[in-house]
Amino acid sequence: KNQVEQSPQSLIILEGKNCTLQCNYTVSPFSNLRWYKQDTGRGPVSLTIMTFSENTKSNGRYTATLDADTKQSSLHITASQLSDSASYICVVTLNTGFQKLVFGTGTRLLVSP
Amino acid sequence: EPEVTQTPSHQVTQMGQEVILRCVPISNHLYFYWYRQILGQKVEFLVSFYNNEISEKSEIFDDQFSVERPDGSNFTLKIRSTKLEDSAMYFCASSEILRPTTNEKLFFGSGTQLSVL
Repeated sequence: KNQVEQSPQSLIILEGKNCTLQCNYTVSPFSNLRWYKQDTGRGPVSLTIMTFSENTKSNGRYTATLDADTKQSSLHITASQLSDSASYICVVTLNTGFQKLVFGTGTRLLVSP
Repeated sequence: EPEVTQTPSHQVTQMGQEVILRCVPISNHLYFYWYRQILGQKVEFLVSFYNNEISEKSEIFDDQFSVERPDGSNFTLKIRSTKLEDSAMYFCASSEILRPTTNEKLFFGSGTQLSVL
């Protein structure tokens, strides 16, 4: 069964600190892995997209890594800001004819002043 | 950055009533999607749509659901006879390119919160 698991479920960090969110997946056939940021009451916004041949990709203070062998990914947030408070969702795209996405349950991050 | 627009932001309806959720995808996009998110749960795929027909649908998307592109800009999701368990946030999304390539982004709207009483 295609599944995407994320940890931790929730996380509280102090402003300015770094954090790392984890994602494990069992999805086949794999096309790519995406990290999304979802603010409360809003739609998900794309942060990074990686294929199986990419090990790391950065977007500002966000750096995603992918280990296709172990089927694990991480999202590292550097120098956190209050505006980083959101849910971060790991999403794996199935390699089918259309963009069929398998979503994780997300990690809820709260950045505290 | 271009946006996917959804209306209304909130919809309250009685069980058994029909609802239509509306979306305006990004203008040059060709592929459209509906997803839903029940409170506290993960986002789930409902349906994808291309060239005026459904490309793929999930098991959630039963006969009570339908999608339509009535004109060149709107994309709608209709639920014919709503049930309590249809209460969720419904997200419309669009993309430009068919295949899920490296650079392909899926753009989501802000969602319509549907509450069935």
